[in-house]
Amino acid sequence: AQSVSQHNHHVILSEAASLELGCNYSYGGTVNLFWYVQYPGQHLQLLLKYFSGDPLVKGIKGFEAEFIKSKFSFNLRKPSVQWSDTAEYFCAVNDGRDDKIIFGKGTRLHILP
Amino acid sequence: NAGVTQTPKFRVLKTGQSMTLLCAQDMNHEYMYWYRQDPGMGLRLIHYSVGEGTTAKGEVPDGYNVSRLKKQNFLLGLESAAPSQTSVYFCASNRVRAYEQYFGPGTRLTVT
Repeated sequence: AQSVSQHNHHVILSEAASLELGCNYSYGGTVNLFWYVQYPGQHLQLLLKYFSGDPLVKGIKGFEAEFIKSKFSFNLRKPSVQWSDTAEYFCAVNDGRDDKIIFGKGTRLHILP
Repeated sequence: NAGVTQTPKFRVLKTGQSMTLLCAQDMNHEYMYWYRQDPGMGLRLIHYSVGEGTTAKGEVPDGYNVSRLKKQNFLLGLESAAPSQTSVYFCASNRVRAYEQYFGPGTRLTVT
């Protein structure tokens, strides 16, 4: 079965620091990849997605992610975080074998002002 | 457009009671999903549906049933609630094979 690993459970950064959150998945075939964000008290919103093409994808609010097939990874990055980026971030995968979308356990990001 | 809505927003049940959570979407999406969110566990897929009249099991289906009688609605039922089902339940929908999901606001369920 497909699985998704997010290595960092809780990350604390100061404003203007650079961010990289790790995500690895288990299936070696064609995958559709997503990052979602959940701000405190809100529901999940899509940050960015990768289906095919350029492995570097850009999303909303200055976030980007890079798909590295050889490493089964889809890491999320932002060059300079803001206090408003405090949220929980989820990586998710659909592997095309069925219509399930499997989520990682999430990374709580706390930005210090 | 309301997007994805969930009813109720909060509920407290006693062990053994039953209830139904309603998810409704007005985006004409074919696919609908139920997840539960627990601290440190992320979102886990309970059941999903790829069209009216169809349902399929997800990662954690035990103790839950679902029905998709109308395209816009997806019901999640708990026949005999257990404390282990205390969670926040999210519904999501997406277009056919698009997998970009739109989430509802969640239902916080407590089973005592």
